Amino acid sequence: QKEVEQNSGPLSVPEGAIASLNCTYSDRGSQSFFWYRQYSGKSPELIMFIYSNGDKEDGRFTAQLNKASQYVSLLIRDSQPSDSATYLCAVSHILTGGGNKLTFGTGTQLKVEL
Amino acid sequence: DAGITQSPRHKVTETGTPVTLRCHQTENHRYMYWYRQDPGHGLRLIHYSYGVKDTDKGEVSDGYSVSRSKTEDFLLTLESATSSQTSVYFCATAEGNYEQYFGPGTRLTVT
Repeated sequence: QKEVEQNSGPLSVPEGAIASLNCTYSDRGSQSFFWYRQYSGKSPELIMFIYSNGDKEDGRFTAQLNKASQYVSLLIRDSQPSDSATYLCAVSHILTGGGNKLTFGTGTQLKVEL
Repeated sequence: DAGITQSPRHKVTETGTPVTLRCHQTENHRYMYWYRQDPGHGLRLIHYSYGVKDTDKGEVSDGYSVSRSKTEDFLLTLESATSSQTSVYFCATAEGNYEQYFGPGTRLTVT
C-alpha cells in the first residue's frame, strides 16, 4: 500500500463546476497535509495546507481533513480552464534535525472543459 | 515564490560521469530539500539540509551526496551517474515545518 494514494484521473469537469480531488494516507502519525498544483513541465506550486480536522477555505479552494478516516480532499469551486493541471497531495512528518519530509501522491490530473 | 533558482535547467550526461546540480535561494530559508520526480512514483526526497553544513538522507539517497556551505546554496552531486538517475530534480526551501516552495527543476538525462 502506498503511503499517499490519489486517483490518477483524468478528472473532467465542466467550466464553472466544483472539482473534488481526493487523497488517502496510511500513516496516522502524519501531521500536516498539503495540496500542490503542477502544470505540465513546471514545478509544484503550493495551493494550501491543513493540519486540523475540518475545512479550510482560501478563495475558490477548500481543503478538508478527516484524520479518523485518513482522508484529505481539495474542492475547487467555479472551476476554470486555467485550473487544468495535476494536483499533488502530500503529507508531512517532522524530521530529526527539524524541517519536514513531504511524502507525495502521484497526483490527479484535472481537466476543466469549456 | 521563494526566489529559488536551479542550474543547469537541462543536462545530458553519460553513464559514469559525476554531475552536480545547484540550488540557489535568496529568501534566507533555513531548510532546503532535493527531490526527484519520476512517472508513477511522485516526488521523492533525496537529501535535505537543516542548516549550513547540516544535512541528512532522504528515502532515495543512494548514489547521491549533498553539500551546503552557505545558507543560500545547496548542491546535489551524482557521484557516478547511472541511467536510473534520469529524472527531473527539484529543489525546495522552507523556513519552518510547514510549506515548502519549489524551484523550477532540472531535467537530467543520463545516456
